[in-house]
Amino acid sequence: DQQVKQNSPSLSVQEGRISILNCDYTNSMFDYFLWYKKYPAEGPTFLISISSIKDKNEDGRFTVFLNKSAKHLSLHIVPSQPGDSAVYFCAASEGDSWGKFQFGAGTQVVVTP
Amino acid sequence: SQTIHQWPATLVQPVGSPLSLECTVEGTSNPNLYWYRQAAGRGLQLLFYSVGIGQISSEVPQNLSASRPQDRQFILSSKKLLLSDSGFYLCAWKQGTGSGSNQPQHFGDGTRLSIL
Repeated sequence: DQQVKQNSPSLSVQEGRISILNCDYTNSMFDYFLWYKKYPAEGPTFLISISSIKDKNEDGRFTVFLNKSAKHLSLHIVPSQPGDSAVYFCAASEGDSWGKFQFGAGTQVVVTP
Repeated sequence: SQTIHQWPATLVQPVGSPLSLECTVEGTSNPNLYWYRQAAGRGLQLLFYSVGIGQISSEVPQNLSASRPQDRQFILSSKKLLLSDSGFYLCAWKQGTGSGSNQPQHFGDGTRLSIL
């Protein structure tokens, strides 16, 4: 049962423009959400997080938005750069779950010149 | 600072052979440790997690087992590998400050396991 879904397997964006990645979840008990970036043959790297008490968190070019009523979160990357080309995973956890996360299937982002 | 090491980076094994993948964490104590598998084109599936020495929880029934013989060492094993065990295996750690702490997991660089 896939509790975290990333329905867009790929996204192509021009350098300098905004990348918007989407993630939906079904478990209303999730209260902590993360985005990871992954290059081929490497482990995922933590990008940004948000807890359910907030609806927005910003870190440099990366902003995560959380819409709890819609069970939806998104990652905005502005401006997109060639080094942002990677697979992005969203992940979610419940507060009392020993740090276990449910991961989406990932979105491949390609930033073109 | 904390670092996580996984080895080997790649491994090719015949069907029916044993497996041992090792993961160690440096720069922290009493971490929560996790093993994930990423099948081709899929997300990350949690296989095992551990909140202390000798404490292992399994998330999915499978041909694999895990052990934590030391505080910062996590081992993934199999007695007889199956073709379906092929994949990319990732170890991760998180600050072990209780079940409800909101902190990210940090991943090693993974092991690419191919079963022939």
